[in-house]
Amino acid sequence: QVQLVESGGGVVQPGRSLRLSCAASGFTFSTYGMHWVRQAPGKGLEWVAVVSNSGGVTFYADSVKGQFTISRDNSKNTLHLQMDSLRPEDTAVYYCTKEGEGSPFSFDYWGQGTLVTVSS
Amino acid sequence: ETVLTQSPATLSLSPGERATLSCRASQSVSSDLAWYQQKPGQAPRLLIYNASNRATGIPARFSGSGSGTDFTLTISSLEPEDSAVYYCQQRRNWPPGATFGGGTKVEIK
Repeated sequence: QVQLVESGGGVVQPGRSLRLSCAASGFTFSTYGMHWVRQAPGKGLEWVAVVSNSGGVTFYADSVKGQFTISRDNSKNTLHLQMDSLRPEDTAVYYCTKEGEGSPFSFDYWGQGTLVTVSS
Repeated sequence: ETVLTQSPATLSLSPGERATLSCRASQSVSSDLAWYQQKPGQAPRLLIYNASNRATGIPARFSGSGSGTDFTLTISSLEPEDSAVYYCQQRRNWPPGATFGGGTKVEIK
């Protein structure tokens, strides 16, 4: 069965960096685009970034452009999110998600999320 | 960027009643709209994709309709376990980013 397992979250001071990872299994990872979506405490869902199945194309929300870098390692079935110059407003649960089997415009599987807290 | 506006913000209904949730897009998204259910402390779960297709394992009481700018998620007969926040979401070929609506909270009386 499909599994997405995030790791790397934690408490970090403003201005510092953090790298999130998402280990994928149960499907052909290199076939699907992958995304990060975040959710601030008590708030709604915010799309963050996408990487194409090959890793050749990336795209970011305006709120993280130039600050976050999404990447993938298809040989290790792993998705990453490098987060630099972190700000308190980046505090959120970060989910990795897979583009849908029925439609690439939806997300059919989600990880359990990893909490990032940016605080001094 | 396409903005999705969901209404109402909160819906309070009794078990067995019909729930109708709305999602309006600021510009046409064709049928490229999905719906998700999120319960407290859990990740979102895909309910509907392509506006009207139920995802694997989703009960038949959930249905989606609409195209262009106006979409509806209907829960035909509410069960206690349907208490959750429901989000709509759209994404296109380019730009490939996604947007989510603000959510509708469904409360079961």
